[in-house]
Amino acid sequence: FMLTQPHSVSESPGKTVTISCTRASGGLASYYVQWVQQRPGSAPVTIIYEDFHRVSGVPDRFSASIDSSSNTASLTISALQPEDEADYYCQSSYNNRAIFGGGTKLTVL
Amino acid sequence: QVSLVASGGGVVESGRSLRLSCAASGFTLKNYVMHWVRQAPGEGLKWVSLMWSDGNTKFYEDSVKGRFLISRDDSKNMFYLEMRSLRAEDTAVYYCVKDSRKTSVNLVIDVWGQGTTVTVSS
Repeated sequence: FMLTQPHSVSESPGKTVTISCTRASGGLASYYVQWVQQRPGSAPVTIIYEDFHRVSGVPDRFSASIDSSSNTASLTISALQPEDEADYYCQSSYNNRAIFGGGTKLTVL
Repeated sequence: QVSLVASGGGVVESGRSLRLSCAASGFTLKNYVMHWVRQAPGEGLKWVSLMWSDGNTKFYEDSVKGRFLISRDDSKNMFYLEMRSLRAEDTAVYYCVKDSRKTSVNLVIDVWGQGTTVTVSS
């Protein structure tokens, strides 16, 4: 994958977790990064677009950032709730194509 | 309310063809880049194809190039994926997906449909 994510993360309810997305080549800052949430058995949903903008209706517990120096985008979820348990994918662009990270399974213990 | 409803999936023998459809509502398809994205059982999301708003600029993932054809019908506000010479590895849930851009190398996927399942039997 051109976008590398941790396979899984886990944390307790009420805590904060950060999911990283590192781009292998090409400047991360040259292309927007989106974050996609997929709950078990459901279709994906974009929750963050254009690096850090929350989609309408997404709680402000979800935030995102870009670190150009490490070519890494990050999704941070604070005050974790059981319904946050899902797969999370970063999405960006390369060579006129959309690319996805391999996905991170978030378990809320 | 912007929504996408995909249909046309099913079980098909290896080597055969299938056409997926996507009905858009709440927006005009021809004004945006539109994508197909698939997800094999137990796997992650994989981009398949996209069409720019001009209707002529199209891109395909390497494994489907020459076998899949993306198209749209502006009069019906519908979007399609014609799949030929299907293989077992094409088995997946296929999502039609809207981008926020008209034409861009900087793609921003913002709306997902509910998906339609394609199973290719060998």
